Order: sequence, then structure tokens, then C-alpha cells
Amino acid sequence: QSALTQPRSVSGSPGQSVTISCTGTSSDVGGHNYVSWYQQHPGKAPKLMIYDVTKRPSGVPDRFSGSKSGNTASLTISGLQAEDEADYYCCSYAGTYTYVVFGGGTKLTVL
Amino acid sequence: QVQLQQSGPGLVKPSQTLSLTCAISGDSVSSNSVAWSWIRQSPSRGLEWLGRTYYRSKWYNDYAISVKSRITINPDTSKNQFSLQLNSVTPEDTAVYYCVRYSGWFNFDYWGQGTLVTVSS
Repeated sequence: QSALTQPRSVSGSPGQSVTISCTGTSSDVGGHNYVSWYQQHPGKAPKLMIYDVTKRPSGVPDRFSGSKSGNTASLTISGLQAEDEADYYCCSYAGTYTYVVFGGGTKLTVL
Repeated sequence: QVQLQQSGPGLVKPSQTLSLTCAISGDSVSSNSVAWSWIRQSPSRGLEWLGRTYYRSKWYNDYAISVKSRITINPDTSKNQFSLQLNSVTPEDTAVYYCVRYSGWFNFDYWGQGTLVTVSS
């Protein structure tokens, strides 16, 4: 069982927006502004999409955005495109004993 | 552009040692601003961070509690690579293993291609 809780699946039609939640505790998500999000297509390595809660690496479309409220972080994808269909994982720094924890992943289906 | 190239066997017998190597191009294992990690992924355990090595005037290593008694991550500055050794493996260690660079606070920005390691006799 993963330390961070994500919905198993979400779906949306092309052009719509979807939000994926990631719930942790005050020891991880709620205690630090170090949440990252990863996109993973089948058979591929994960790709960093969001870091430090809201920042986008170079090359990631601005359709991807991140936020956090309390112990829950969220990834929002606006203007859904077919290529966004993938698994998404959240990740949080969890202090100097546990270091880092991941969510169980959310499968995004573009209808 | 940073690239990480993994190598190592895909099949390991129970109780033996899993060994993987990650060759780095486009960066240095001795960089003072990043760290080098191993992460594994399995259907039962999801994504799991295993540990890291990094250089900040001297070498440091940190390991996940779940594998701390069995794991070693070593840098090799002469070959610009780092390695993973996981001892006393069981079928529960079957997973895809990734070598990963991270910057900042565990922002995993460059990943190796992944190696499926199966623990079976």
C-alpha cells in the first residue's frame, strides 16, 4: 500500500480539464512544499511534469499545473489531448528518516 | 543532455545478490548539485525509492528503511557511473529497477531505461 493516496482512475474528453488528487499527511505533503508529479506511458520510464508543488520543467506544456492545500496536492491537466493518456504518480519529500514517498498512481483515460 | 544507461542481469536466483550499473553521460557522478538514486517499480509495491549517493565535498549515501540492511549504492568516478547491489534477494524484489538523477528536493528529472529484474530459481 502506497504512502500517498491517489484515485485509481480518472477520465475526460479531449479539450476538457481533469484534476488528480494526492493525499498524504502532515509528515509529507502537508509538511513540505516538495511535491512532484510524474507521467508514465506504458513500457516507458516516468517523466517529471511538476516539481516543488507548482513548477514546470522546461518543455512541459503549461496545460499541466500543480497546487496544494493542506495534506492534499493536485495535478490539473487542461485542454486534454490524446497523448495525455497515461499513468500519473505523485511524490513527496517526507523528512530525513523516510526521505521520499510515492502515490499509487492514477490512470488517466482520454475518452 | 543527460542520459543514463543501465546494465545488469535480468534474472537473479533467490538469496543471491542483485547488481546493476548506471552509466552517466552529460553530467558527472561527482556533481555538487545533484544526487543519484535507484527506484524500483512493481505491481505490488508501486514506485519505491531505494537510496541515493551524492557528493558534497565528500560522499554521502542514504537508504530506504525497507532495504537498508541489504543495499549498497556506490559511485565510480573513474567510469562516471554508479551501481546498486541488493543482497539476499527474494521473489518480492522482482521489479523494474530505474537509475535516476535528482535535483533540488527529490525532483527525479532524468531516468534510465529501466531493467526488469526477476528473482527466480
